[in-house]
Amino acid sequence: AQSVSQHNHHVILSEAASLELGCNYSYGGTVNLFWYVQYPGQHLQLLLKYFSGDPLVKGIKGFEAEFIKSKFSFNLRKPSVQWSDTAEYFCAVNANDYKLSFGAGTTVTVRA
Amino acid sequence: GAVVSQHPSRVICKSGTSVKIECRSLDFQATTMFWYRQFPKKSLMLMATSNEGSKATYEQGVEKDKFLINHASLTLSTLTVTSAHPEDSSFYICSARVEGLTDTQYFGPGTRLTVL
Repeated sequence: AQSVSQHNHHVILSEAASLELGCNYSYGGTVNLFWYVQYPGQHLQLLLKYFSGDPLVKGIKGFEAEFIKSKFSFNLRKPSVQWSDTAEYFCAVNANDYKLSFGAGTTVTVRA
Repeated sequence: GAVVSQHPSRVICKSGTSVKIECRSLDFQATTMFWYRQFPKKSLMLMATSNEGSKATYEQGVEKDKFLINHASLTLSTLTVTSAHPEDSSFYICSARVEGLTDTQYFGPGTRLTVL
């Protein structure tokens, strides 16, 4: 079974700062990778996903993530955050059974 | 597209009663739905996979007789928490799988269950 680790539990930053959230997974085979966001009081929304092709994936709201196979990583980035990016961010992985394994989540707080 | 709804959004019940939570895919058909449980400040834990027309498959440690799942149609799955106890209080989230080249799950808004 695959497992997912997110290194940062809580990240606090100011508006316009750059954001990078780490995500590593453990699975030897082919995986599909996802980042979901959960804004306060809202449901999980898909930010971006990687299945194949260009390892640099662009998602909604200015987010992007890079798949580095050799490092088993799929880090999420945003060059300049806004107050509205305050949310919980989850990295998730599935292999060949369509079940998602989630990381523990990272709380991002953006100060105005 | 790919909208998933849950009903109710919040429910409070007495210990020993049963509670049913519905999960609907509003604009697509889903042969597979998933049920998760999310504890405060914790990640999502997959409870079971709901398959239309067949029995649900449960993850290790999840009591199938306590968490009854019925996938009645291609747009509806229900989770019934039977004989609920305070430790069953949690946030229950469903997702529906959109099959295809980029197989993706779309999530419902969740149901907050409080058992008194």
